[in-house]
Amino acid sequence: QVQLVESGGGLVKPGGSLRLSCAASEFTFSDYYMSWIRQAPGKGLEWVSTTTSSGSTIYYADSVKGRFTISRDNAKNSLYLQMNSLRGDDTAVYYCARDLGGSGSYHPDYWGQGTLVTVSS
Amino acid sequence: QLVLTQSPSASASLGASVKLTCTLSRGHSNYAIAWHQQQPERGPRYLMRLNTDGSHSKGDGIPDRFSGSSSGAERYLTISSLQSEDEADYYCQTWDTGIRVFGGGTKLTVL
Repeated sequence: QVQLVESGGGLVKPGGSLRLSCAASEFTFSDYYMSWIRQAPGKGLEWVSTTTSSGSTIYYADSVKGRFTISRDNAKNSLYLQMNSLRGDDTAVYYCARDLGGSGSYHPDYWGQGTLVTVSS
Repeated sequence: QLVLTQSPSASASLGASVKLTCTLSRGHSNYAIAWHQQQPERGPRYLMRLNTDGSHSKGDGIPDRFSGSSSGAERYLTISSLQSEDEADYYCQTWDTGIRVFGGGTKLTVL
């Protein structure tokens, strides 16, 4: 069964940085696009970023462009999200998701359980 | 601009059926979507991809009670024989070059 386990969340001050990780298992990680999606407290889902299977092409939501960086290490079956210049409206649960992009379907088919990021002074 | 519109809430009785709606913005009526379910305090779960012609492909282990259909710019998720565990938030999602877009979600209450 596909497993995605996020880590690295926590409390950070406005303007600070945080790096999230996602450990993937039970599938060939290097074959799949991967995405980060977030959910602010009591709100809906918001797409953050997607990387192609090789990491050669990356997409960002306008709300995080220039502040967040997605990356992956296919040798370690891991996905990352480096978050800089954090703001209060970045407070959310961040989900790692396997994405079917490249196969004609551009959506997640498996999700992790999420990691909470709280930006507050 | 690519936008998905969902009603904030819906309700139906245990054992009944419910049809949730997701509406694509003007000029995007030929887009496929995906449906995702989020039970309380849990991560989302992929339900199905739904095409313009109503054909759909479900995720692993999704019961036959879940089905999809389409009409014009509307995409539907029908849940039959409602069970208590179907009480959840349901999100539609679509895509365009490089981006993914989520609807605002519908909170389904099973009475």
